Amino acid sequence: AQSVSQHNHHVILSEAASLELGCNYSYGGTVNLFWYVQYPGQHLQLLLKYFSGDPLVKGIKGFEAEFIKSKFSFNLRKPSVQWSDTAEYFCAVNLNSGAGSYQLTFGKGTKLSVIP
Amino acid sequence: NAGVTQTPKFQVLKTGQSMTLQCAQDMNHEYMSWYRQDPGMGLRLIHYSVGAGITDQGEVPNGYNVSRSTTEDFPLRLLSAAPSQTSVYFCASSYDTRHSPLHFGNGTRLTVT
Repeated sequence: AQSVSQHNHHVILSEAASLELGCNYSYGGTVNLFWYVQYPGQHLQLLLKYFSGDPLVKGIKGFEAEFIKSKFSFNLRKPSVQWSDTAEYFCAVNLNSGAGSYQLTFGKGTKLSVIP
Repeated sequence: NAGVTQTPKFQVLKTGQSMTLQCAQDMNHEYMSWYRQDPGMGLRLIHYSVGAGITDQGEVPNGYNVSRSTTEDFPLRLLSAAPSQTSVYFCASSYDTRHSPLHFGNGTRLTVT
């Protein structure tokens, strides 16, 4: 079965540190890739998405992600984190489930704690 | 523009009780879905619908029913609540299943005692 793996369960960084959160998926076909963020007590919001074209995509709030097809990866990065980036981050992969329908599969999430 | 509206925000049930979680969207989205979120488990798909009158099972459908009589509404029914169904439930919708990002409701925190 297709799966999405996020390598880190909890990441703790100081403000201004650089961030990279790993995401790998197991599927050999065409995929659409997303990163969502969930701030404490809130619902999930879209950070960025990749469908095709430039594998380096930029999202909101200074986040970016790079799609590396050969590594089945879609890692999230930010050069300098802020305390307000404290949240849980979810990688999601949209896979073709047949008959033109797509299923979105989420990773288990990575909690990011930024220390002021 | 309300987006995706879920009610109630909080609910406590006793084992064996039934209830319906409501979800409505005003964006004319064809695709709607229900997820449950548990610590360390991420989001798991319960049921989804690609249009009015069409529903299908997701990853963890047991103990839940859904219906889609209109484009706007997608209620989730717990038939006989069990402690294992204690979770946070999110309804989400999107324009299509391929490219469109999901729009999430604010969630329902359900506790089954």
